[in-house]
Amino acid sequence: KNQVEQSPQSLIILEGKNCTLQCNYTVSPFSNLRWYKQDTGRGPVSLTIMTFSENTKSNGRYTATLDADTKQSSLHITASQLSDSASYICVVSFAVGFGNEKLTFGTGTRLTIIP
Amino acid sequence: SQTIHQWPATLVQPVGSPLSLECTVEGTSNPNLYWYRQAAGRGLQLLFYSIGIDQISSEVPQNLSASRPQDRQFILSSKKLLLSDSGFYLCAWSGPYSGNTIYFGEGSWLTVV
Repeated sequence: KNQVEQSPQSLIILEGKNCTLQCNYTVSPFSNLRWYKQDTGRGPVSLTIMTFSENTKSNGRYTATLDADTKQSSLHITASQLSDSASYICVVSFAVGFGNEKLTFGTGTRLTIIP
Repeated sequence: SQTIHQWPATLVQPVGSPLSLECTVEGTSNPNLYWYRQAAGRGLQLLFYSIGIDQISSEVPQNLSASRPQDRQFILSSKKLLLSDSGFYLCAWSGPYSGNTIYFGEGSWLTVV
């Protein structure tokens, strides 16, 4: 069964500190891995997307890593800001035929930044 | 640029009443369209996806249906709502001009009472 597990479920850190969120998956055959940021009551917004051959990708203060061998990904946030408070969702897609893919969503990590 | 609009943002409906959530995408053509539901503390669950007009696939059997009367319009409906239909519903699109990214709408909060 394709699954995506994220840890921790929730995290509270001080403004200005760094943090790392984890994502482990069992999705196969792997197509790509995405990280989304979802503010409360809003739609998710894409942060990064990585294919099998990519092991790191950055978007400003967000850096995602991917180890396709161990099926693990992390999202590192540098110099956190209050606006980083949100849920971060790991999404892994797998191919289901030519040109088609399906997504498996993690339940997210709820990050709270406190001043 | 491409944009996705979803409405209404919030809806409170009695059990047994009908439902209609609408979603439109602008700035692209022939997008793949999706309806997701997000229950509290749970991951997003794909409900329907569509690769073209009147081409809709259902991922889970349920009390809901979807229609795509136009290329960039996706509608989520129910004839009779159940309490268990309460949740956060998200429309999304991907395809031409999206760079393999799926873009989500702002979501619709549905509370069935």
